[in-house]
Amino acid sequence: DGGITQSPKYLFRKEGQNVTLSCEQNLNHDAMYWYRQDPGQGLRLIYYSQIVNDFQKGDIAEGYSVSREKKESFPLTVTSAQKNPTAFYLCASTSGPEQFFGPGTRLTVL
Amino acid sequence: GNSVTQMEGPVTLSEEAFLTINCTYTATGYPSLFWYVQYPGEGLQLLLKATKADDKGSNKGFEATYRKETTSFHLEKGSVQVSDSAVYFCALILSGYALNFGKGTSLLVTP
Repeated sequence: DGGITQSPKYLFRKEGQNVTLSCEQNLNHDAMYWYRQDPGQGLRLIYYSQIVNDFQKGDIAEGYSVSREKKESFPLTVTSAQKNPTAFYLCASTSGPEQFFGPGTRLTVL
Repeated sequence: GNSVTQMEGPVTLSEEAFLTINCTYTATGYPSLFWYVQYPGEGLQLLLKATKADDKGSNKGFEATYRKETTSFHLEKGSVQVSDSAVYFCALILSGYALNFGKGTSLLVTP
């Protein structure tokens, strides 16, 4: 079955640590996205990539980094520079206007 | 800039009641419009979409019509079920960029 997988489902981080969230898709989509979801805030765009080896900052990129070495994979690193990283992170991919979402990773900073 | 405004929740309805969730948008071009649904602890699923003015998207008893004159895309369902309890997001996209989401409306349907 085609789809988007994110791992882990739950992630706990100590302050000052970097963590990497995985996002993999087998839909053969060119474009991939990372969103952050906070209660009552909707979804906000962190980074997006429209093609391998290229990516752009979204609205809230500070404290995050990404890579796009393969079409299928778009990992997100939450660095220690991100002041308030506790949130639900959603990855998406698309080949047209409709975006397909993964199940999300809930990150909690201890 | 582009933005989406949807009614604040939570919305609480009894089973079989009529549902309307209002959504209006601001866009510099001609966006495609979407409703996504999120069940607790899960990612978003596309519920319905409309790509041009006067299009009606429909799925699972939900409907929304793209109204260019009022810049609206209100979500409706004639008879809600307990299983419809979720958070609903209105969103727009202009070509070559990411989705702009509303803040979401939580719906609780009681038996």
